[in-house]
Amino acid sequence: GDSVTQMEGPVTLSEEAFLTINCTYTATGYPSLFWYVQYPGEGLQLLLKATKADDKGSNKGFEATYRKETTSFHLEKGSVQVSDSAVYFCALTPLGSSNTGKLIFGQGTTLQVKP
Amino acid sequence: GAGVSQSPRYKVAKRGQDVALRCDPISGHVSLFWYQQALGQGPEFLTYFQNEAQLDKSGLPSDRFFAERPEGSVSTLKIQRTQQEDSAVYLCASSFGQGSPETQYFGPGTRLLVL
Repeated sequence: GDSVTQMEGPVTLSEEAFLTINCTYTATGYPSLFWYVQYPGEGLQLLLKATKADDKGSNKGFEATYRKETTSFHLEKGSVQVSDSAVYFCALTPLGSSNTGKLIFGQGTTLQVKP
Repeated sequence: GAGVSQSPRYKVAKRGQDVALRCDPISGHVSLFWYQQALGQGPEFLTYFQNEAQLDKSGLPSDRFFAERPEGSVSTLKIQRTQQEDSAVYLCASSFGQGSPETQYFGPGTRLLVL
């Protein structure tokens, strides 16, 4: 079945460091891909998304490119801030006759940014 | 307007008790999803409603789990004869339309602890 695999955390970085969180997926066809973020004490919220190959999603300085050839959707940010400390989830919506839009999530990667 | 709300935020149940978890989606949202999130894991899909119709319940782990959305707005997830393995955070999400790649808006979750 469809699945998402993320790099294990926690990831600890100093402020202004470069961030990469790896995400790869297994799916039939071309699913839509998402990054969701959960800040401490808050609910999950959409960070960015991409719906077809070579699309780049971006928001708040974060970027991720839909790579069909490597089935990847790695999250990057050039300079992290303490306020970026959160848990990041990669997810996909599988295609199919129902196309309900249900999300399949990775296990999450905790990012801690130190001043 | 208000986001997705869930109640109660915390629930402690004795093994064998029945529990009911409520979700108030964003007004006008057609789609409603329930997810289960175990500690340290990503959310896992339970069930999906389009208005009042439950179109996908493939993720419900057993027949002890039951969900309804009778008027196409508020939804209730009921767990009968709770077991310790039911301890998790239960997340509700809604989206305006249906299918991928609609953005899902998540509630804060209900943390269920079964003793």
